Amino acid sequence: GQNIDQPTEMTATEGAIVQINCTYQTSGFNGLFWYQQHAGEAPTFLSYNVLDGLEEKGRFSSFLSRSKGYSYLLLKELQMKDSASYLCAVLPGAGSYQLTFGKGTKLSVIP
Amino acid sequence: KAGVTQTPRYLIKTRGQQVTLSCSPISGHRSVSWYQQTPGQGLQFLFEYFSETQRNKGNFPGRFSGRQFSNSRSEMNVSTLELGDSALYLCASSTTPQETQYFGPGTRLLVL
Repeated sequence: GQNIDQPTEMTATEGAIVQINCTYQTSGFNGLFWYQQHAGEAPTFLSYNVLDGLEEKGRFSSFLSRSKGYSYLLLKELQMKDSASYLCAVLPGAGSYQLTFGKGTKLSVIP
Repeated sequence: KAGVTQTPRYLIKTRGQQVTLSCSPISGHRSVSWYQQTPGQGLQFLFEYFSETQRNKGNFPGRFSGRQFSNSRSEMNVSTLELGDSALYLCASSTTPQETQYFGPGTRLLVL
């Protein structure tokens, strides 16, 4: 089966840096995605990792270690608008294109 | 380029009724996936279509069905609605099944 774990909630201060972790156990691996979802809205794509290492995109970076089944999303220079849920999702391999999501991490940014 | 569109945006039904939801993917995207999102379970995969063929199905009862048309538009149907079917139903499209999925705004279904 597929199992994706991430913390339920996190709180961080405006201007700070926060790291949201995601661990996964899936039958095969064909990529890991991070999405941001504001309350009442649809998820929006943030990043994609398929090879080990760090992918940087502005204030957001995502890291992947396939051997450890581990990823993190790093948010720098936090802004109030970053308060949202962050969803980790894995695309298994072996011909399965069923994107499996973790339950999401609700991030609250406080002044 | 227009994003993924879903209709209707909100729906109220009663137990036992059936409902059909529609999704129009981003132009050029041929893969459409459907998800159910509830506070307790998070985002759960329903099914995925590519070139009018259902290639993957999640762990949902047979009351949940779908189809994809030749223009890549997709519909999902839920028959004999139950209270537990109340959820946000999200559609996502991608160029191919292994590429990044982009979500529509969702249809919020309330079953009374």
